[in-house]
Amino acid sequence: NAGVTQTPKFQVLKTGQSMTLQCAQDMNHNSMYWYRQDPGMGLRLIYYSASEGTTDKGEVPNGYNVSRLNKREFSLRLESAAPSQTSVYFCASSEGGAGLYEQYFGPGTRLTVT
Amino acid sequence: AQKVTQAQTEISVVEKEDVTLDCVYETRDTTYYLFWYKQPPSGELVFLIRRNSFDEQNEISGRYSWNFQKSTSSFNFTITASQVVDSAVYFCASCFDDYKLSFGAGTTVTVRA
Repeated sequence: NAGVTQTPKFQVLKTGQSMTLQCAQDMNHNSMYWYRQDPGMGLRLIYYSASEGTTDKGEVPNGYNVSRLNKREFSLRLESAAPSQTSVYFCASSEGGAGLYEQYFGPGTRLTVT
Repeated sequence: AQKVTQAQTEISVVEKEDVTLDCVYETRDTTYYLFWYKQPPSGELVFLIRRNSFDEQNEISGRYSWNFQKSTSSFNFTITASQVVDSAVYFCASCFDDYKLSFGAGTTVTVRA
C-alpha cells in the first residue's frame, strides 16, 4: 500500500505558467482534499471532494481548479501561477467526512513561483 | 466560524522533560471534532488523535496524553518524558462541518539530547 502519493515533489514555475499537481490514493477512500501550508499559518483547505463526481471549495480556492478524475485520483490545477501561490501543497484522503474519519496525507509538493 | 489557536509558536526542552502544547478552539456548534497531527522533519502529517465534542474523557497513549475541557474550550496535548524523536511540528485542528478541517498555526517542538 503506497497510501497517498503526490507528483511532483518539487516544482519551480514562472509567474503566469500553468501546472497540474497530481494526487492518487490506493485506500479506496471516498473523500479527497487539497491543502496548502504556509509558514506560521498551518494548513488551509483549498478544495475537497466528498465523493467521486463532486468537488467543493474550501477556505482558499481562488486561483485553483480541481478535478476528481475517478475514485483514486484528485488533481489540482494552477491556471496562471502567481508568487502568492508559492507554498507546500498536501493532498489527503479519508474514508468519509473529515469529522468522523482521520485524514491520510501525502508527502507534499513544494512549489515555488518566481 | 470555527477557529483554532495554538498560542505557542516554539517550545524547546531537554530530553526526558514533559512538554504540554496548548490548543484553544472557538465554535458555536454543539457537535464538533478535534484532532492533533504531528509533522516530523520528513514533512508528512501523521494523525495522532480525534475527539468528538461529546466525549470529554482524557486519553493516554503511551507517552502521549490529551486533556479535553469544554469549559475552557481547550484540547491540550502532553508528551511525557520527551525524546529526540518527538521533535516535530504539532497541529491542532477542528472540524466544523463534515468535510472541512481548520488547522491551528502549529507548535514546533524541539527536544535536545
